[in-house]
Amino acid sequence: AQSVTQLDSHVSVSEGTPVLLRCNYSSSYSPSLFWYVQHPNKGLQLLLKYTSAATLVKGINGFEAEFKKSETSFHLTKPSAHMSDAAEYFCVVSEWNGNNRKLIWGLGTSLAVNP
Amino acid sequence: NAGVTQTPKFQVLKTGQSMTLQCAQDMNHNSMYWYRQDPGMGLRLIYYSASEGTTDKGEVPNGYNVSRLNKREFSLRLESAAPSQTSVYFCASSGQGGYNEQFFGPGTRLTVL
Repeated sequence: AQSVTQLDSHVSVSEGTPVLLRCNYSSSYSPSLFWYVQHPNKGLQLLLKYTSAATLVKGINGFEAEFKKSETSFHLTKPSAHMSDAAEYFCVVSEWNGNNRKLIWGLGTSLAVNP
Repeated sequence: NAGVTQTPKFQVLKTGQSMTLQCAQDMNHNSMYWYRQDPGMGLRLIYYSASEGTTDKGEVPNGYNVSRLNKREFSLRLESAAPSQTSVYFCASSGQGGYNEQFFGPGTRLTVL
């Protein structure tokens, strides 16, 4: 069975410093991977997705993630944090169960950005 | 193009009451999903519908029923609400095949007293 582990439940950075949110996955197949963001009291928005076309994936709001098969990782990065980046971030892997693709969700990483 | 809409946004129930959460999407997606989100537990799949006319259980189906009314609409029913069902509920939809990215509604915040 596939699974997703977000290695940090909370990350705190200063505004203007780099962001790194770590995600490892296990998969029997060539996976599809996603990062979603959830701002406080809001719904979930797709940040970026890995679709096997390129290992470095660029998303919205300056975020990017690199797929590393040898390390089974899909870490999310941003060069310079903004206050508006404070949110919950979810790493997700897509699983094929024979009938349908389902998403397997990580437990989330809460990102705090300090002025 | 509204995407995925959910009603109501907020609801307070007493233990034992019933209610239906409504979800609709206008993206012509085949698949629809209901999740619940609880602190520290991420998102857990309650039920999903791979296509019109089919529904399947997810991780936490007990205490819930669903109806895929047509391609656009997917409702979630609580027949006899319990305090353990206090949660935020999200509906999502996705297209056929491909990478199955899901598009989410704004959520329903449900409190059961």
